Amino acid sequence: QSVLTQPPSVSGAPGQRVTISCTGSSSNIGAGYNVHWYQQLPGTAPKLLIYNNSNRPSGVPDRFSGSKSDTSASLAITGLQAEDEADYYCQSYDNSLSGSVFGTGTKVTAL
Amino acid sequence: EVQLVQSGAEVKKPGESLKISCKASGYSFTNYWIGWVRQMPGKGLEWMGIIYPGDSDTRYSPSFQGQVIISADKSINTAYLQWSSLKASDTAMYYCARLRPQDFDYWGQGTLVTVSS
Repeated sequence: QSVLTQPPSVSGAPGQRVTISCTGSSSNIGAGYNVHWYQQLPGTAPKLLIYNNSNRPSGVPDRFSGSKSDTSASLAITGLQAEDEADYYCQSYDNSLSGSVFGTGTKVTAL
Repeated sequence: EVQLVQSGAEVKKPGESLKISCKASGYSFTNYWIGWVRQMPGKGLEWMGIIYPGDSDTRYSPSFQGQVIISADKSINTAYLQWSSLKASDTAMYYCARLRPQDFDYWGQGTLVTVSS
């Protein structure tokens, strides 16, 4: 059971902006811990997409952006492309579990 | 170049033991935590636990404490995940990943474990 809740799916037309929410609580995101985002393309290992709430690793396109506020975080894809179809997961630290936690995951579909 | 290379797919029977590996290269193995993540078929990612190869300090998710053992051999830059008695419900893809220290910046390719009679 995950303590970070994401919508099961989001979709949009190519070129549109889509956002994925990640809702936590006072023991994880609300406690000030950073949020990180991963992209998992079909049949592949997860890949780090955003770290420390809003930072992109080298090579990640700038159409991906992240933000955090209170007990939640968001990932935005501006200018959705067909190649962005994947599962996306948020991750943070939870002090009641004394370890990392992943979100429930969101499947992004380009219509 | 940082790389994490995992051992190959395994097919086991219930009750059997198993140890899978994750060999690191391209960085100082003893200076970063390594984590293990489970992904059951068609499901999401689950954090299992982490190990600091420098001193073998190990932390487990409450969901996996007592179910698996995480270890590391710093002489060969390799981390391990092992079971003493597999169950059908252990069927999953298992990933190792480097913890940086809050995010997992490099991931192995995954090891598929199938447990079936």
